[in-house]
Amino acid sequence: EAAVTQSPRNKVTVTGGNVTLSCRQTNSHNYMYWYRQDTGHGLRLIHYSYGAGNLQIGDVPDGYKATRTTQEDFFLLLELASPSQTSLYFCASSDRYEQYFGPGTRLTVL
Amino acid sequence: QQKVQQSPESLTVSEGAMASLNCTFSDGTSNNFRWYRQHSAKGLEVLVSIFSDGEKEEGRFTAHLNRANLHVSLHIREPQPSDSAVYLCAVDPNTNKVVFGTGTRLQVLP
Repeated sequence: EAAVTQSPRNKVTVTGGNVTLSCRQTNSHNYMYWYRQDTGHGLRLIHYSYGAGNLQIGDVPDGYKATRTTQEDFFLLLELASPSQTSLYFCASSDRYEQYFGPGTRLTVL
Repeated sequence: QQKVQQSPESLTVSEGAMASLNCTFSDGTSNNFRWYRQHSAKGLEVLVSIFSDGEKEEGRFTAHLNRANLHVSLHIREPQPSDSAVYLCAVDPNTNKVVFGTGTRLQVLP
């Protein structure tokens, strides 16, 4: 079974702060994704990647950068965090048929 | 762009009674339709993936897909209080940009 882990699980920062969310998958999937989940919006795709060094823009990319350093590791960067980025963030990896999700990171921007 | 709507927003059933959740989408050419369960802002657990029109059963969970009617449903047989969660419909157009509905909150009363 695919294993996707995220860190930290909870993070509190202040407006203007610098935050990095980490994701690691151990099943050698090519595709990895970052989503945010907000009440009334469901999951929305921020960025995704199909391999180390690759980055694709999702549906809500503004204010976020991402980097895929290896097959296993995908990072989401908020360089100037704003309160509107307070959310629950999920990472996922996928093979051809399924997406496998991490446990989520709850980010609060004060 | 694919749009996914779920109904009802919330549903309460008694333990043992059938629970039925609905999902409509705007583009029937997508390849893969999935139902996820999410307990209390935790990770997403895939319940059923369905590719073809008709029915697919996974334990107590059955998905029905009708592309012509742009509709996929989830039926939960003999629901238990532990099934209380948010259920998410996901439409995968095979472009790696999965679109999620906003969810149905299910409560199962003992």
